[in-house]
Amino acid sequence: GAVVSQHPSRVICKSGTSVKIECRSLDFQATTMFWYRQFPKQSLMLMATSNEGSKATYEQGVEKDKFLINHASLTLSTLTVTSAHPEDSSFYICSARTISRDRKQETQYFGPGTRLLVL
Amino acid sequence: AQSVAQPEDQVNVAEGNPLTVKCTYSVSGNPYLFWYVQYPNRGLQFLLKYITGDNLVKGSYGFEAEFNKSQTSFHLKKPSALVSDSALYFCAVRDDWVSNYQLIWGAGTKLIIKP
Repeated sequence: GAVVSQHPSRVICKSGTSVKIECRSLDFQATTMFWYRQFPKQSLMLMATSNEGSKATYEQGVEKDKFLINHASLTLSTLTVTSAHPEDSSFYICSARTISRDRKQETQYFGPGTRLLVL
Repeated sequence: AQSVAQPEDQVNVAEGNPLTVKCTYSVSGNPYLFWYVQYPNRGLQFLLKYITGDNLVKGSYGFEAEFNKSQTSFHLKKPSALVSDSALYFCAVRDDWVSNYQLIWGAGTKLIIKP
């Protein structure tokens, strides 16, 4: 079945550095990818919606300059956390959506998540 | 192994009727259970969660879910469906808060409410 991968699965970095998280759809082309953030004991928060070849649409309260999203191809989206700080420590999840040719069937697959710890 | 099953790809309900979207899970420890909804062309939205306490959890948009430990189920319910409830619903489970933040997701169930 369709698989969405995320790399790395876990990353520890120093405060002030930037971290890039990749989200790949392994056997299908994703028309849209979503990036979510999850704090401990809380639900997912949608950060942004990314369509291939266009700028990401960010949710209210999400800093565009801090969370850079690039969706360069139909199988790859990246989230870069710039100048990371300890409060950015969280669990980041991507999902990839594909739509059938007749546009009647929409399917979404989730990545396993990336745990970011900023020291 | 951890897993989540949503046995129905699609559920069709007439407007005004009660609806149920099924979810069963398998975890090693204590489950933390979530329901999310995705409307067309939108990202996921949180509906409700079960961490501990009452087995019946009430959430957004009039939805509720019942945690049944013996049946390892967490079915989503609503007493009276609205056409606007038509969307994709995902069930998710987490096994361990401390060392593993990973959510295990169901495949999703498409809910269609007909007028």
